[in-house]
Amino acid sequence: GQSLEQPSEVTAVEGAIVQINCTYQTSGFYGLSWYQQHDGGAPTFLSYNALDGLEETGRFSSFLSRSDSYGYLLLQELQMKDSASYFCALDNYGQNFVFGPGTRLSVLP
Amino acid sequence: DVKVTQSSRYLVKRTGEKVFLECVQDMDHENMFWYRQDPGLGLRLIYFSYDVKMKEKGDIPEGYSVSREKKERFSLILESASTNQTSMYLCASSPQDRGLWGYTFGSGTRLTVV
Repeated sequence: GQSLEQPSEVTAVEGAIVQINCTYQTSGFYGLSWYQQHDGGAPTFLSYNALDGLEETGRFSSFLSRSDSYGYLLLQELQMKDSASYFCALDNYGQNFVFGPGTRLSVLP
Repeated sequence: DVKVTQSSRYLVKRTGEKVFLECVQDMDHENMFWYRQDPGLGLRLIYFSYDVKMKEKGDIPEGYSVSREKKERFSLILESASTNQTSMYLCASSPQDRGLWGYTFGSGTRLTVV
């Protein structure tokens, strides 16, 4: 099977940079994805890493290292609206995504 | 604006009832999924479907069934609701080459079984 681990909570101040880590165990996968979910809202797709390395999309970047079974989401210039839960998810050979338990990010003024 | 619509935001049902959760997408996506979300457990896959009348079991299918008679509609059925099925249920859809675009989720149905 596949399993993912994330810190349950992360706190940072507005304007700072924060990194949310994700470690996983799997026999194989296509890629690693990240989703954001605000309280009471639907998860929304942020990024997908098919290859090792850094993918940048505006203030958000995502990183994957297959050799280390590790990825992270990097959020720069934090804003209050970034307070949300963030989920990493493994692409299970194109069949579906397997999600981690989620990290709740709190951004303080 | 493309969307995935779940028929109910909140539902309260009694133990033993048969419960239908409906999901409709307007993006002509091939793939549709049902997840349940519980605190500390993330999203767990119940069932998914690649095409009309096709279904595949996910990680936790016990106590659930699904129906996909039309491409845009994917229904989750709780045959006999139990209190341990109290949860947030999320429907999602994606195109065939989903990796680049990810899922589009509905807003969820919070089901309480009493």
